[in-house]
Amino acid sequence: QVTLKESGPALVKPTQTLTLTCTVSGFSLSDAKTGVSWIRQSSGRDLEWLAHIFWNDEKSYKTSLKTRLTVSKDTSKSQVVLSMTNMGPADTATYSCARVRFSGSSGFYFDSWGQGTLVTVSS
Amino acid sequence: EIVLTQSPGTLSLSPGERATLSCRARQSVKSNLLAWYQQKPGQAPRLLIYGTSIRAAGIPSRFSGSGSRGDFTLTISRLEPEDFAVYYCQLYASSYFTFGPGTKVDI
Repeated sequence: QVTLKESGPALVKPTQTLTLTCTVSGFSLSDAKTGVSWIRQSSGRDLEWLAHIFWNDEKSYKTSLKTRLTVSKDTSKSQVVLSMTNMGPADTATYSCARVRFSGSSGFYFDSWGQGTLVTVSS
Repeated sequence: EIVLTQSPGTLSLSPGERATLSCRARQSVKSNLLAWYQQKPGQAPRLLIYGTSIRAAGIPSRFSGSGSRGDFTLTISRLEPEDFAVYYCQLYASSYFTFGPGTKVDI
């Protein structure tokens, strides 16, 4: 059974750096054609993709947030870590990680999601 | 990055009716492979359709996906009470993932 679980602070102050960890089970971060993305959702509606990291360590970031984001993985710990610098009130959202699967005939999609963790940015 | 639009924003229907949800890419896209997700309040999104028309494991046959060339459709043939939710489309292009803004299907 594939599971993903996010962990990290519920409250951060403006200008601080947010660090979130996604711990996965039921699959390996070294499995071919597999990756993990970070996605956030504010006000219960818009889903905003932030970053992903693939089994081969290929990474990509949302263009408008690229300078603030860093994603990494520790395969031995089954963890993916997202760091986001210079947090502001607009970054208040539920942050989730999701497993990415892909193939030439199926495209790229998220087949398993964590429940998400609410992060509030406030002084 | 590709921008996806979804219409309508809200779809008000009754159980047993047919729902047709649209997702369009504003720019021309190389990929024709779209995914659809269902999200209920307080829950994580659930994968319904990938590869534009492939139902994910455990998804009932009343859900179907179609489309190409940046114009995609999710159809729910006969709405069940548990289908009232928000539906999102998602595309991957040029190393970026994009979600549409969602369509809420309510009673």
